[in-house]
Amino acid sequence: EAQVTQNPRYLITVTGKKLTVTCSQNMNHEYMSWYRQDPGLGLRQIYYSMNVEVTDKGDVPEGYKVSRKEKRNFPLILESPSPNQTSLYFCASSSLGPSGNTIYFGEGSWLTVV
Amino acid sequence: GENVEQHPSTLSVQEGDSAVIKCTYSDSASNYFPWYKQELGKGPQLIIDIRSNVGEKKDQRIAVTLNKTAKHFSLHITETQPEDSAVYFCAASEASGTYKYIFGTGTRLKVLA
Repeated sequence: EAQVTQNPRYLITVTGKKLTVTCSQNMNHEYMSWYRQDPGLGLRQIYYSMNVEVTDKGDVPEGYKVSRKEKRNFPLILESPSPNQTSLYFCASSSLGPSGNTIYFGEGSWLTVV
Repeated sequence: GENVEQHPSTLSVQEGDSAVIKCTYSDSASNYFPWYKQELGKGPQLIIDIRSNVGEKKDQRIAVTLNKTAKHFSLHITETQPEDSAVYFCAASEASGTYKYIFGTGTRLKVLA
């Protein structure tokens, strides 16, 4: 079954304590991306990756890091989380090709920073 | 860069009625416009998409129309059912090869039984 799996699904953490949200896809997709979803703001892209060792900033990259050492994994790292990073996070993947391919989303990770 | 506006933010319809959600985009180079449905507690899922060389696409009770001149596209759901209740997102893809998708702010659709 085609899947994008992210963990943890729910996390409460304290300001400044580094955390990593993992993401893995089993579809051999080249493209992976992280989004955050906030009320009234929709889905905003944090970082994306076109292939292994290739990453680029999205619209709201401040306070986040990513890495793409393997094709299937694309972890999101919050080095020093702050309360304004409390949000619902989605990892997504897609194959590359002619512009316009289906994005597959994970189930989401609820992150609360206190 | 691309900007996508989506209206309305909430929409309530009676079961069996039609629902229409509209989006406008700013970048005339965008050429791919998907619609995603997000059910409670889940990630968004693609329900229909349209490319810039097509004016309309239909899949059973859902259809999408695209007006390239006006730079807007719409989602139409006919004969709505309670299971259509969800948040719907439109998106536009920049045609620059970066595969950067800009999403609308979402529409919460409630189908009243």
